[in-house]
Amino acid sequence: DTAVSQTPKYLVTQMGNDKSIKCEQNLGHDTMYWYKQDSKKFLKIMFSYNNKELIINETVPNRFSPKSPDKAHLNLHINSLELGDSAVYFCASSQTNGQPQHFGDGTRLSIL
Amino acid sequence: TQLLEQSPQFLSIQEGENLTVYCNSSSVFSSLQWYRQEPGEGPVLLVTVVTGGEVKKLKRLTFQFGDARKDSSLHITAAQPGDTGLYLCAGLLYTGRRALTFGSGTRLQVQP
Repeated sequence: DTAVSQTPKYLVTQMGNDKSIKCEQNLGHDTMYWYKQDSKKFLKIMFSYNNKELIINETVPNRFSPKSPDKAHLNLHINSLELGDSAVYFCASSQTNGQPQHFGDGTRLSIL
Repeated sequence: TQLLEQSPQFLSIQEGENLTVYCNSSSVFSSLQWYRQEPGEGPVLLVTVVTGGEVKKLKRLTFQFGDARKDSSLHITAAQPGDTGLYLCAGLLYTGRRALTFGSGTRLQVQP
């Protein structure tokens, strides 16, 4: 059983489109995260949710909107995609905020 | 500038050699985690260190947290090709926001 699963694994789309990435965790964790990993492999937090409540919102363009329907799911919707959005997006979860994290396998987003 | 600087950025060695990766900061961390990431996958937790001066061993990997909790090191003895990957340190700041800050990463390649 995959602990943190995100879909799709690959996403290739045109500039200006809107897309969503889904994430689910079956670990019973309270906290979920979205990270962006750039081409230099630097991993930067975007959002963090604790029990469906937003607790961390880094300086991310408001074209990015996370949604947590329940504590096991955290989805990421991106409007008006730009070339600079190309990256690998990782979902993660932890027992509570700041604790060791379990990561999904990432979604590689490529903007044409 | 990164809050957590890792060195070296890249390391290519022969099987059987020893190596050390450093993770340095001017900030104090309440805990520090080490992850390994392989291509196409998410980071996987190796260890968490919490106490200044703490040393933890995981088979051939030895992790140390600095006395002042500002730095950490990872030492690998007799490296094997299976150790190849991207090593990331991540710290939880002692004060301030409760989100992991990731280091810049060390890419290790072990040649057979």
